Amino acid sequence: EVQLVESGGGLVQPGRSLKLSCAASGFTFSNYYMAWVRQAPKKGLEWVATISTSGSRTYYPDSVKGRFTISRDNAKSSLYLQMNSLKSEDTATYYCARHTYFDYWGQGVMVTVSS
Amino acid sequence: DVVMTQTPVSLSVSLGGQVSISCRSSQSLVHNNGNTYLSWYLQKPGQSPQLLIYKVSNRFSGISDRFSGSGSGTDFTLKISRVEPDDLGVYYCGQGTQYPLTFGSGTKLEIK
Repeated sequence: EVQLVESGGGLVQPGRSLKLSCAASGFTFSNYYMAWVRQAPKKGLEWVATISTSGSRTYYPDSVKGRFTISRDNAKSSLYLQMNSLKSEDTATYYCARHTYFDYWGQGVMVTVSS
Repeated sequence: DVVMTQTPVSLSVSLGGQVSISCRSSQSLVHNNGNTYLSWYLQKPGQSPQLLIYKVSNRFSGISDRFSGSGSGTDFTLKISRVEPDDLGVYYCGQGTQYPLTFGSGTKLEIK
């Protein structure tokens, strides 16, 4: 059974940093692109980042480019999202999802950016 | 960026009825490799989104045949037949053809 379990969320002040983790199991992690998708409270879905199987290629929307960094450790079947210079508009539930079709999602982790 | 426009914003249906949700993209979703990466997701209340349909018309594993997807180019439709109570939630379309990946704003399905 495919499982994706996020961790690392919480309350953080604007301008500070936070790192999310996603532990994957039930499939060969190194064979799949992986992604982060977020959902602000009562809002729709927004793609945040994608990483290739080896980690050599990463993709971001303009809204987070230069502030967020996606990475992975295939030996640990883990995905990460380093979030720097956080803004109030980054407040959201962050989901780890398996690319290409976002066929599996984690349960999500809440990130609140507030002073 | 590809803008995904979903209609209607919400709809109400009786149990056993049928509904259609439209999703239009601002650009063709046909990839250079010939595939069309248009997916449909359902987010039930309090849950993570789940994949229903991928590449326009392919049902994901375990998804009922009451769900069907169709369309091409920029115009796509999700149909739900014989609506059941468990179908309520917000439906999203999403495109994976070009970066940045984008989603529609969602269609809320309520049961009468």
